[in-house]
Amino acid sequence: NAGVTQTPKFQVLKTGQSMTLQCAQDMNHEYMSWYRQDPGMGLRLIHYSVGAGITDQGEVPNGYNVSRSTTEDFPLRLLSAAPSQTSVYFCASSPPNQPQHFGDGTRLSIL
Amino acid sequence: DAKTTQPPSMDCAEGRAANLPCNHSTISGNEYVYWYRQIHSQGPQYIIHGLKNNETNEMASLIITEDRKSSTLILPHATLRDTAVYYCIVRVRGSGNTGKLIFGQGTTLQVKP
Repeated sequence: NAGVTQTPKFQVLKTGQSMTLQCAQDMNHEYMSWYRQDPGMGLRLIHYSVGAGITDQGEVPNGYNVSRSTTEDFPLRLLSAAPSQTSVYFCASSPPNQPQHFGDGTRLSIL
Repeated sequence: DAKTTQPPSMDCAEGRAANLPCNHSTISGNEYVYWYRQIHSQGPQYIIHGLKNNETNEMASLIITEDRKSSTLILPHATLRDTAVYYCIVRVRGSGNTGKLIFGQGTTLQVKP
């Protein structure tokens, strides 16, 4: 039981590049979410999903896409990276009405 | 989801109880109070949650006032490893619960030797 696994742990991109941050959970959790955390700030919700095939926007969705084709995976896509997207990204999962489990984060720098 | 207000920072002596307050004056009857902490920019870690009764687990105790407008997280014997940012979050229960959490700035707890 690995919990919530995020890959990669670190990534450097150039402005305009695209990439996908991976998130996988092996706990059969229905709910999954993506957050970003900027230095000295709390986490902000980007997108979330309440089940396979269902996604919705959070507080700061612009510049990001998500899909949920399986229960286990919830990838986050940066379409055209911008320096403002330099941040630490956290993925979380939970059963309905239960506390969320967080991954260890992906540290993303965009030059 | 209701907003929460926490002090930005607190100190606590090692071995003493750490009492972290949180105001949530606009909380609704169907909202839980959750506490998470974040150590060294790791992923947030769930601590405890409650609706209206006081709760205790192996990590902490949660005291919720009778009017539910505020709560206190208690770490009974703080250690240096409890140094972290603590987040108080209100979260709707039942069919309105979509799993999302709205984080504030949290309280940075510094446990000192």
